[in-house]
Amino acid sequence: QLQLQESGPGLVKPSETLSLTCTVSGGSISSSSYYWGWIRQPPGKGLEWIGSIYYSGSTYYNPSLKSRVTISVDTSKNQFSLKLSSVTAADTAVYYCASGGFAFDIWGQGTMVTVSS
Amino acid sequence: DIQMTQSPSSLSASVGDRVTITCQASQDISNYLNWYQQKPGKAPKLLIYDASNLETGVPSRFSGSGSGTDFTFTISSLQPEDIATYYCQQYDNLPTWTFGQGTKVEIK
Repeated sequence: QLQLQESGPGLVKPSETLSLTCTVSGGSISSSSYYWGWIRQPPGKGLEWIGSIYYSGSTYYNPSLKSRVTISVDTSKNQFSLKLSSVTAADTAVYYCASGGFAFDIWGQGTMVTVSS
Repeated sequence: DIQMTQSPSSLSASVGDRVTITCQASQDISNYLNWYQQKPGKAPKLLIYDASNLETGVPSRFSGSGSGTDFTFTISSLQPEDIATYYCQQYDNLPTWTFGQGTKVEIK
């Protein structure tokens, strides 16, 4: 049973880079025809897809965030990561990692990231 | 960009009621639509994929229909455990995804 777990700092200063990691267990990140993605949810608001990386390594980003987002994969650690640069208070949210084909059928529990000085 | 418009934004219904949520796409997305349930403090859960296919293990009181630009999500008989926010998600321009704004379902 595939499981995902987010990890990273819960507090990031404005203008700095938010960095999160998603650890995959119960399967190999490189052996499945999955998209591995990041989705966020600001407090009290809806879901926003940030970006995804295909098992082949190709990346895809939300156009509204593309200039600030980098998603990468570390197959040796069975992890994929999110970097969001130049953060502001508007980037405060619960960040989820998720996986699937055309739908995200496996989700991590989410991690709250607050942007504040 | 494809925009997804969900309605209503919230609703209140009695246990046993039939509940319907609609999702409209700004352009034809065929059947490339998923529905998720999110309970407070929890990650979203996939309920319906490809507009009308029930994910394994999901109760049959949940259903989805539609194609093109207009989609419907239905709970045939609302149960107390169905209190949640429901989101549609399109993937017509895969591999990018767009969520609707969400519909919060409460018990009257």
